[in-house]
Amino acid sequence: NAGVTQTPKFRVLKTGQSMTLLCAQDMNHEYMYWYRQDPGMGLRLIHYSVGEGTTAKGEVPDGYNVSRLKKQNFLLGLESAAPSQTSVYFCASSYRAASTGELFFGEGSRLTVL
Amino acid sequence: ILNVEQSPQSLHVQEGDSTNFTCSFPSSNFYALHWYRWETAKSPEALFVMTLNGDEKKKGRISATLNTKEGYSYLYIKGSQPEDSATYLCASQGPSGGYNKLIFGAGTRLAVHP
Repeated sequence: NAGVTQTPKFRVLKTGQSMTLLCAQDMNHEYMYWYRQDPGMGLRLIHYSVGEGTTAKGEVPDGYNVSRLKKQNFLLGLESAAPSQTSVYFCASSYRAASTGELFFGEGSRLTVL
Repeated sequence: ILNVEQSPQSLHVQEGDSTNFTCSFPSSNFYALHWYRWETAKSPEALFVMTLNGDEKKKGRISATLNTKEGYSYLYIKGSQPEDSATYLCASQGPSGGYNKLIFGAGTRLAVHP
C-alpha cells in the first residue's frame, strides 16, 4: 500500500541548476498538490491539479512549474534553482468527490540549494 | 484573524499528562477544519476533519472540538504517551472552488517524556 510516493527524498543543488521532483499516488485521486514547508511557517501551496492535464497556481508559485500528464503523477520542476527554494517539499492528493476530504501526504523531499 | 495560528509553538509534557493545544482560524468563509499528525521523517496523517459548529471528534485518546463562530479548535490528548510525540498541524479550509483549499498553521510540536 504505497499511497503517495515522492522521489528523490534528498537533493543538493547549486544555484542555477534545474531539477524535477516526482510525486506518484496509487489511490486514483483526482486532486494533487505541491506544498513547501519552511521553519516556523505552515505548509504553503505552490501549485495544484484538479485532474489529468490541468494545473493551477497556489500561494507561492514563482520559480516553479508543474505538469500532470498522467492522473497518478504530479511533477514539480525548478528551472533555475535559487537558495530561497531551499525547503522541504510535500506532495499530497485527495478525492474530488469528498469536498472536505483529507489530504494524503508523501514523506517529503528535502532540497538544499547552495 | 487573517491567518491560521496555532499555540503553543512547542510543548513538553511527562508521560501520563493530559494536554491540549489551540488552532485559531478566520471565522468568515469557513468550510472545514483539518487536524494532521506529523511524526518526524514520516508523512503528515489526517486525524480529523470537522465542519459543524460544536462538532467534537475522538480517536482513541485524542479528541478535538470546533467553534466556527469564534474561529477556534482545540485538540486534546488524554494520558500522553511517548508515541504521541509529533507535530500537530491544523488547517482551515475555505469554500473549495474545485479543490481542497487549505491554509495551514505552523504547527504545535509535542514532546512526551517517559
